Amino acid sequence: AQKVTQAQTEISVVEKEDVTLDCVYETRDTTYYLFWYKQPPSGELVFLIRRNSFDEQNEISGRYSWNFQKSTSSFNFTITASQVVDSAVYFCALSELDGANSKLTFGKGITLSVRP
Amino acid sequence: EAQVTQNPRYLITVTGKKLTVTCSQNMNHEYMSWYRQDPGLGLRQIYYSMNVEVTDKGDVPEGYKVSRKEKRNFPLILESPSPNQTSLYFCASSQRGNPLDTQYFGPGTRLTVL
Repeated sequence: AQKVTQAQTEISVVEKEDVTLDCVYETRDTTYYLFWYKQPPSGELVFLIRRNSFDEQNEISGRYSWNFQKSTSSFNFTITASQVVDSAVYFCALSELDGANSKLTFGKGITLSVRP
Repeated sequence: EAQVTQNPRYLITVTGKKLTVTCSQNMNHEYMSWYRQDPGLGLRQIYYSMNVEVTDKGDVPEGYKVSRKEKRNFPLILESPSPNQTSLYFCASSQRGNPLDTQYFGPGTRLTVL
């Protein structure tokens, strides 16, 4: 069965520090998709990135970067020069076809606090 | 604006009093789904729907019902709510139910059952 592990539960950093959020996944499929979502204090879920299992290229979007390594089943997320607005819960998720259901399996989330 | 809406956003109710949480999307998506979020557990899928009149159970369906009579709406029904259904609920939709499709989430409904 598919599984997503976010071993870090809470991380606290000072503004401008870099921080990496870890995500390790398990799946039997060769075709799958990985996502990161951000949940700010207001509660909504904000989509950040999608990556398919055939694309191991790292991606950078402004201060955000993602490192996908199939060999270690990891999809880590780094925030460079963190800001207070980055404070949120971050979820890593795995999507694969389970019968007819493209269910998202979420990790338990990492609470990131960025202090001024 | 493309969006998934949920109502109500907050609800406090008592055990046994039937309630419905509505979900609507304006993106003509075929796939819709309900998740619940609980501390330390992340999000877990309750029910999903591949299209109109096609629904099926997710990982934690007990105590819930859904219906999909129209493409845009996917209400979540709690016939007899219990305190263990106190949670944050999210509705999500995606274009076709393909794992590649990004699922877009509603703003969440915080339910408290006393």
